[in-house]
Amino acid sequence: DTAVSQTPKYLVTQMGNDKSIKCEQNLGHDTMYWYKQDSKKFLKIMFSYNNKELIINETVPNRFSPKSPDKAHLNLHINSLELGDSAVYFCASSQGVRNEQFFGPGTRLTVL
Amino acid sequence: SQQGEEDPQALSIQEGENATMNCSYKTSINNLQWYRQNSGRGLVHLILIRSNEREKHSGRLRVTLDTSKKSSSLLITASRAADTASYFCATDESGSRLTFGEGTQLTVNP
Repeated sequence: DTAVSQTPKYLVTQMGNDKSIKCEQNLGHDTMYWYKQDSKKFLKIMFSYNNKELIINETVPNRFSPKSPDKAHLNLHINSLELGDSAVYFCASSQGVRNEQFFGPGTRLTVL
Repeated sequence: SQQGEEDPQALSIQEGENATMNCSYKTSINNLQWYRQNSGRGLVHLILIRSNEREKHSGRLRVTLDTSKKSSSLLITASRAADTASYFCATDESGSRLTFGEGTQLTVNP
């Protein structure tokens, strides 16, 4: 009965590779997010979709491309991975943009 | 500096004691939220307080909001070892996003 799920949980890959992280929520929420948490636990928003439309696109390299096939899914594709992309990536969802957010368990990405 | 700054950065207490964490912010908000993050897990929402509220309770949690000082506090009473986690405040900027602070690492020693 996981509310917000992400796959994979761990991702170890070489520099230059392309990888995707998937996120699904079964809460019926209309807004989904991707956050990046660095080693100092600083949580920074990357993207937000409301009803499948991109509403937040922070200063993120264009190697990162989100895709929302429907309201329940928000995937993150990363091209040409770099060492600095190593972090934990969290997906979250909410009903509306101001209400409480429900977070997935995170995907720990390690780029070697 | 960062919207939603927590203070202190780290707090270590004994089981049974109360823990107080503070959060300051810089711009007007509609609401302020507190989240907990256990090691290796996602964030969990604890409580949301609206700008027209001054205090809110949830179990052993008490949150206050002072909009004139642009600050909030989270009080955990009668702490338990299981309360050990990082605690983040988050504010809504212009209603379009949440901005998270850098968190307070709370350690409750048994």
